[in-house]
Amino acid sequence: EVQLVESGGGLVQPGGSLRLSCAASRFTLSDHYMDWVRQAPGKGLEWVGRSRNKANSYTTEYAASVKGRFSFSRDDSKNSLYLQMNSLKTEDTAVYYCARAPPFGSGRYYLDYWGQGTLVTVSS
Amino acid sequence: DIQLTQSPSFLSASVGDRVTITCRASQGINSYLAWFQQKPGEAPKLLISEASTLQSGVPSRFSGGESGTEFTLTISSLQPEDFATYYCQQLESYPLTFGQGTRLEIK
Repeated sequence: EVQLVESGGGLVQPGGSLRLSCAASRFTLSDHYMDWVRQAPGKGLEWVGRSRNKANSYTTEYAASVKGRFSFSRDDSKNSLYLQMNSLKTEDTAVYYCARAPPFGSGRYYLDYWGQGTLVTVSS
Repeated sequence: DIQLTQSPSFLSASVGDRVTITCRASQGINSYLAWFQQKPGEAPKLLISEASTLQSGVPSRFSGGESGTEFTLTISSLQPEDFATYYCQQLESYPLTFGQGTRLEIK
């Protein structure tokens, strides 16, 4: 079955940087759109952004709250996706999920498989 | 940005009850709506796409509906494993947005 495993979370000071990884198994990551979604402790889901597939040149979309600070990248040889987070703020504290987004009948890309998440804590 | 407003935010019900959760979009989203179920400590699970298409393996007691900019998730007969938090998400335009969630608890 499809598997996504996030890693790289931890404690970081405000203004610091962190890179999260999302390792994919049993499907070819480069063929798929991938999203990042986060969830602050005790709160709801917040969409962070989208990395389109190789056929769409890995172009990206970002939520306004992270644009200019967060960026996505991929390593096809490792079948992995990355989330580089810079200039971190306390409000970025959350569990970060990566999710696969294949196209559905309408042509829209729904999130069908999610990783287990990795916790990022931004605190001094 | 498209806002999604879920109601109620909290719902208390009993096993066997029929419940409906509503998600109202701030503008038209062409049925590009998903419903997710999330249990404590777990990742969200996709239940419904395209407003009403049940995902493979999801019990048929779950159903999705729509009327204009109002979307519904109905559980026809609650089972113990259905007590969780439910979120809607719109995929009409960026930024993709989620509703604030509906927590369904056992009465």
